[in-house]
Amino acid sequence: SQQGEEDPQALSIQEGENATMNCSYKTSINNLQWYRQNSGRGLVHLILIRSNEREKHSGRLRVTLDTSKKSSSLLITASRAADTASYFCATEGDSGYSTLTFGKGTMLLVSP
Amino acid sequence: GAGVSQSPSNKVTEKGKDVELRCDPISGHTALYWYRQSLGQGLEFLIYFQGNSAPDKSGLPSDRFSAERTGGSVSTLTIQRTQQEDSAVYLCASSLFDRQYFGPGTRLTVT
Repeated sequence: SQQGEEDPQALSIQEGENATMNCSYKTSINNLQWYRQNSGRGLVHLILIRSNEREKHSGRLRVTLDTSKKSSSLLITASRAADTASYFCATEGDSGYSTLTFGKGTMLLVSP
Repeated sequence: GAGVSQSPSNKVTEKGKDVELRCDPISGHTALYWYRQSLGQGLEFLIYFQGNSAPDKSGLPSDRFSAERTGGSVSTLTIQRTQQEDSAVYLCASSLFDRQYFGPGTRLTVT
């Protein structure tokens, strides 16, 4: 079963605007990761935030994690047409396994 | 170095036939994962190999699905007696620590 649920399912913005995607999950986690997928093929890792972290930055990406609300957000600032892709959150549980549970993703469209 | 590779990139097969999908992980990565992604959906976990430990097969949808990993490196996912609902992109990933590195996937179409 899928634990992460992204919101919104689809997002359409103009170049230069910021894009915010949210992810909610159900069980305790070791970390939460965001991945990007172009054209329905391989995923690319974007950023990982651990359960004891609240915010993390990487270039134009900013991720927040609220473990009390079991939610995370991914902010892409100053978006570009090349950011058009599907974005997935994935959680690694704290049970000792290293498998990831993925949500259904947010499809982001950035128009020039 | 080389990333995760998968072959074939596309496979069309007739219902009832068996198929084998191959994954070459990044050298030195101890963990290997198989996922399935149906059109417009998230990733569904299938199976996980970690070192020499027994694999976690909890995600395999039926006994028609099996996977093996030889010598702690290359993995093969086998689907026997394929059904139309098996049509999907099958993704392989490997990792050493937390982050997973994905291959480009194999798009399987069962006609």
